[in-house]
Amino acid sequence: EAQVTQNPRYLITVTGKKLTVTCSQNMNHEYMSWYRQDPGLGLRQIYYSMNVEVTDKGDVPEGYKVSRKEKRNFPLILESPSPNQTSLYFCASSLSYPGQAFDYEQYFGPGTRLTVT
Amino acid sequence: KNEVEQSPQNLTAQEGEFITINCSYSVGISALHWLQQHPGGGIVSLFMLSSGKKKHGRLIATINIQEKHSSLHITASHPRDSAVYICAVRSLLMNYGGATNKLIFGTGTLLAVQP
Repeated sequence: EAQVTQNPRYLITVTGKKLTVTCSQNMNHEYMSWYRQDPGLGLRQIYYSMNVEVTDKGDVPEGYKVSRKEKRNFPLILESPSPNQTSLYFCASSLSYPGQAFDYEQYFGPGTRLTVT
Repeated sequence: KNEVEQSPQNLTAQEGEFITINCSYSVGISALHWLQQHPGGGIVSLFMLSSGKKKHGRLIATINIQEKHSSLHITASHPRDSAVYICAVRSLLMNYGGATNKLIFGTGTLLAVQP
């Protein structure tokens, strides 16, 4: 089954304790993104990756790191989490990077609900 | 003003009713996405369109590029349609470094269909 998986699904942690949220897709997609979803703000892009070893900042990258060592995996790293990073996080993938006149269907993971106290 | 505006923000309908959710945007786009987010949180892509109309089962999506407006219609609504419906546009933004194509999301429409 084609899917994007995220782990963990739920996480409660304390300020400053490093954590990693994993994301994996089995569709051989080139393009992967991380989003956070907060009430009243909609989804906002944190980081994206156009392919292996190619990553770039989205709209809200502060406090986050990513890596793309393998095509299928795109982990999100919070080196020193703070309470303002409490949010619902989604990983998404698509076949490739969108062009000037076309786009690709987005596939989302199930979400990770993170609480930082 | 948000670049993507959805209306209504909340909608309650009776089972069987015809439902319309609207999305207006203010930027140039290459495509518009309609997404569905169920109470459990997962997000599913319903449609991606750049012109005209698409239909899948009881769902119909239309877009008017000149008016920068899209609608999502649900015919014969059912309680299992209860979810948040999110409009997102793939924007065409030119900056100093070239073109960037980012997805801009609306804040969603919360739909509750009562039996």
